[in-house]
Amino acid sequence: GQNIDQPTEMTATEGAIVQINCTYQTSGFNGLFWYQQHAGEAPTFLSYNVLDGLEEKGRFSSFLSRSKGYSYLLLKELQMKDSASYLCALNNNDMRFGAGTRLTVKP
Amino acid sequence: EAQVTQNPRYLITVTGKKLTVTCSQNMNHEYMSWYRQDPGLGLRQIYYSMNVEVTDKGDVPEGYKVSRKEKRNFPLILESPSPNQTSLYFCASTSMRAAGETQYFGPGTRLLVL
Repeated sequence: GQNIDQPTEMTATEGAIVQINCTYQTSGFNGLFWYQQHAGEAPTFLSYNVLDGLEEKGRFSSFLSRSKGYSYLLLKELQMKDSASYLCALNNNDMRFGAGTRLTVKP
Repeated sequence: EAQVTQNPRYLITVTGKKLTVTCSQNMNHEYMSWYRQDPGLGLRQIYYSMNVEVTDKGDVPEGYKVSRKEKRNFPLILESPSPNQTSLYFCASTSMRAAGETQYFGPGTRLLVL
């Protein structure tokens, strides 16, 4: 199977850094996506990791380690608008999502 | 503007009454897919299509049908809806030619089956 696990909820303070982890069990996949989803809205793309390592995009970075079955999304300089759910998903032609991590950013 | 459109956005129907949710994209993407999202379960893929006339089952295909006669359209058909298909549905598309190409989601369709 492809169990994909993320923490259900996280809380962080405005201006801080938060790391959202995603672990999975699978024998192979094309790549791993991260999405942001605000309540009542569609998911929006954040990153796609194919190779191991860190990919940085402004305040958001995503890391993948295939050998460890592990990815994380790093959010820097947190803003109130970053309060949302963050979804990781494995792409193996089909797509399988974790249940999502609801992040609350407090002043 | 690059976009994925879905219609209708909201639908209330009754058990057994066939319905179709349309999905269209204007980006010439090969890959399209349908998801449902339920509280506590996250997004689950229903069907996906890697190109015209090619469709494959996702994680939860039972009770749904799809077709891909044209590249831009990927309708979701519920032949005989049941209350357990009450959910929020998203269509999405992405290009297969560029690894890591953004996957665009439609705005969602809220379906209530009575």
